[in-house]
Amino acid sequence: SQKIEQNSEALNIQEGKTATLTCNYTNYSPAYLQWYRQDPGRGPVFLLLIRENEKEKRKERLKVTFDTTLKQSLFHITASQPADSATYLCALINTNAGKSTFGDGTTLTVKP
Amino acid sequence: ETGVTQTPRHLVMGMTNKKSLKCEQHLGHNAMYWYKQSAKKPLELMFVYNFKEQTENNSVPSRFSPECPNSSHLFLHLHTLQPEDSALYLCASSHTSGGTDTQYFGPGTRLTVL
Repeated sequence: SQKIEQNSEALNIQEGKTATLTCNYTNYSPAYLQWYRQDPGRGPVFLLLIRENEKEKRKERLKVTFDTTLKQSLFHITASQPADSATYLCALINTNAGKSTFGDGTTLTVKP
Repeated sequence: ETGVTQTPRHLVMGMTNKKSLKCEQHLGHNAMYWYKQSAKKPLELMFVYNFKEQTENNSVPSRFSPECPNSSHLFLHLHTLQPEDSALYLCASSHTSGGTDTQYFGPGTRLTVL
């Protein structure tokens, strides 16, 4: 079965710096990969989706890359702000099975 | 708000109780999901319904019983739970259950089993 590893459970950075979160997977390459944000006491909120034939996707200060050779996705937040502090989840979507598999998340803290 | 509501937001129950979690989506979606989120563990998919039909049961114990009376409502009936079932239970919906559609999550029900 698919295994997903997200880098270090917690990541602390200074405001204004770029945060880089990692999502590594084993086995098959998914057709799609999604990133979600989850705040304490709330459900995950969708941020970005990237397809296997896309190298990079951007949305405002967010950037996602997808390297099927390395079996890795990187999620970047540029010019980070304390409001970006949250847990970020990656999810792999296998269209054949029609299922999403989530990583256990990385908790980002941006310090002022 | 995401358009997906869950009630109750918090629930404390004994191992012999019977309770139900409710989820409602106002997005016109056809697929609904139940997930379990435990501390330090990834989201675990429990059940998937597509057009009111159950399409996925991820080896969930029978003490969890889902019900989907229509595409907008989803219930999770609980009975004789164990303390290890304590977790955040999240409901989500998407346009279809093909897996490629973005899922919209509710705020979750924080369940504590004593």
